[in-house]
Amino acid sequence: QVQLKESGPGLVQPSQTLSLTCTVSGFSLTSNSVHWVRQPPGKGLEWVGAIWSGGSTDYNSALKSRLSISRDTSKSQVFLKMNSLQTEDTAIYFCTSLGRGYWGQGVMVTVSS
Amino acid sequence: DIQMTQSPSFLSATVGDRVTINCKASQNINKYLNWYQQKLGEAPKRLIYNTNSLQTGIPSRFSGSGSGTDYTLTISSLQPEDVATYFCLQHNSGPFTFGSGTKLEIK
Repeated sequence: QVQLKESGPGLVQPSQTLSLTCTVSGFSLTSNSVHWVRQPPGKGLEWVGAIWSGGSTDYNSALKSRLSISRDTSKSQVFLKMNSLQTEDTAIYFCTSLGRGYWGQGVMVTVSS
Repeated sequence: DIQMTQSPSFLSATVGDRVTINCKASQNINKYLNWYQQKLGEAPKRLIYNTNSLQTGIPSRFSGSGSGTDYTLTISSLQPEDVATYFCLQHNSGPFTFGSGTKLEIK
């Protein structure tokens, strides 16, 4: 069945770089897009960005200068890298196959010294 | 970027009530509008995709409608398990954008 699972550090220091991995199973990255969505504690959902089946990417306008999404199709993994992290980036980060309606459980990332 | 204005932000209703939640886009999104339900501590769950297609396994009391810039999620008969926050998402054009959410509680 379709599964997505996020992994990465729970704590990142301010100004450092966040690296997250989304490992998928049950579908092919070359046929499906994967999106990242984040949710600050107690707040709403924010679309972060996506990598499309062909490998192209789209990013949230406000995060574009700090964000990179890539993938390794042989490992069925999608990567998110965001630099210059600030406390406002503290959130649960989800990966999702928006087109198929499946979501990972999310990973909590706290930006703090 | 397309802005999504969702209303109301908070809704309190009685079991059995008909409930509607609205999303208005800042421009035509060609029915590329999804609805999600998020319960406390869980990942969002897709209820409706492309305005009015019901996700497999979702009860038929949930329905969606709309066109152009205006979209509605309707719960025909509110159940206790529907307590959650509901979000819309436009996926007509990137960057995609979510509505701000509607927190639904039972009176």
